[in-house]
Amino acid sequence: EDKVVQSPLSLVVHEGDTVTLNCSYEVTNFRSLLWYKQEKKAPTFLFMLTSSGIEKKSGRLSSILDKKELFSILNITATQTGDSAIYLCAVGAGAGKSTFGDGTTLTVKP
Amino acid sequence: NAGVTQTPKFRILKIGQSMTLQCTQDMNHNYMYWYRQDPGMGLKLIYYSVGAGITDKGEVPNGYNVSRSTTEDFPLRLELAAPSQTSVYFCASSSPIWTPGGELFFGEGSRLTVL
Repeated sequence: EDKVVQSPLSLVVHEGDTVTLNCSYEVTNFRSLLWYKQEKKAPTFLFMLTSSGIEKKSGRLSSILDKKELFSILNITATQTGDSAIYLCAVGAGAGKSTFGDGTTLTVKP
Repeated sequence: NAGVTQTPKFRILKIGQSMTLQCTQDMNHNYMYWYRQDPGMGLKLIYYSVGAGITDKGEVPNGYNVSRSTTEDFPLRLELAAPSQTSVYFCASSSPIWTPGGELFFGEGSRLTVL
C-alpha cells in the first residue's frame, strides 16, 4: 500500500521565521512528488518534483527531492501571516494514482 | 474558463439516503479523482480514473461507486449514506502526473453531512 507521511503535523512560528516541512514516502512506481497549499477551500499547486537534487523555487518557497532516501522538504523563509495554511504533500504513481499525506498545519503569528 | 466543476456545494442527507456528486472538467484531462477530507486530515483517495470507461479503487472506496462514460464527467455515487461519510469531497483532474503541468486541478469541494 502506498504511504506518504508528513511531519510535523502542526507548527506555530512567528513572522520572519524560517520553516522546513518534511514529506517521506513509500510508493510503487514513483513518478512525481507534489506540494500543495490549502487555505479555506481546495488545495492550490506549489511545486512538482520528479528528479533528485534539483531545487524548485518560487519566491520565499523552495523544495527539493531525494529519491534515494525517499523524502522531500519544503522550505519557507521569512514567513508571513499569509503563509498560514495546511501544506499537503502528494506522490504520483505510475498507475495514475496520487496519494496524499495528512498535511502540516502551519500557523504564523504576527 | 471553468476548470473542474462540482455540484452540489453543500448537502445534508439522512442515514440510508443515496445521492450523486457531480463532477465535470473542460480541460480534456484523462485522469480524474475523487478525494474526501475529514477535519484536520489530508485527502484520502476514494476512486480514480485514467480514461473513459476505466475506473479503479483508491484507499477508501467502501460505500461509494463511480462511473466514467465520458472524458469530461466523473460522478460519485453514495449508496445508503452513513454518518461516517460526513466529509468534504473534492473532485480533481490532471494530465499524466509525471509530466510538466501534470498537477491536480481541484473543484471547489462539496460539503456533505449525514444525520
